[in-house]
Amino acid sequence: DMKVTQMPRYLIKRMGENVLLECGQDMSHETMYWYRQDPGLGLQLIYISYDVDSNSEGDIPKGYRVSRKKREHFSLILDSAKTNQTSVYFCASSSRSSNERLFFGHGTKLSVL
Amino acid sequence: KTQVEQSPQSLVVRQGENCVLQCNYSVTPDNHLRWFKQDTGKGLVSLTVLVHENDKTSNGRYSATLDKDAKHSTLHITATLLDDTATYICVVVDRGSALGRLHFGAGTQLIVIP
Repeated sequence: DMKVTQMPRYLIKRMGENVLLECGQDMSHETMYWYRQDPGLGLQLIYISYDVDSNSEGDIPKGYRVSRKKREHFSLILDSAKTNQTSVYFCASSSRSSNERLFFGHGTKLSVL
Repeated sequence: KTQVEQSPQSLVVRQGENCVLQCNYSVTPDNHLRWFKQDTGKGLVSLTVLVHENDKTSNGRYSATLDKDAKHSTLHITATLLDDTATYICVVVDRGSALGRLHFGAGTQLIVIP
């Protein structure tokens, strides 16, 4: 079953706390992405990962870091969360070999109080 | 600078009517274009992929066109249903930068009323 799984679905944190968002995929896709989606804006790329330990900053990496130690798993970490990081975070994965293979997770709604 | 512009921003139609959503982009080089449907509070679900110049695709009541010269795509929804209420997002994939960056439009919010 081809899918991207994000955990948790909802998360409430206090300002200054650390946050870990998890993403998994079962398709052996090389490329994985983390985006955030805010009202009225298109999805904004935070980080892109081309494979294990091969990560690049996206358009808005400040305040975030990532970890990809296994091809099927990509984590987004917020060290000392800020209120302006309240958003919906989406993970996606894609295959280099096929235009068809691009899948998104259901999103994690993060509220930083 | 916004590289993918969608119009209209929002649209209300009556159930059974047809509608057309527009996507204009300036991404270069453009490899292919995708349309996604996003239900409120959910993730993005792929509707169609357009790859070649003057591509046309059909997926049930959804059909799409791509004009690469004009950098323009349309998504047609025929005989709308209440379940078509969602945000429709145009995504242009470029291969010029490292391995396929995705450029997202802000979406068109479609509301289908009885």
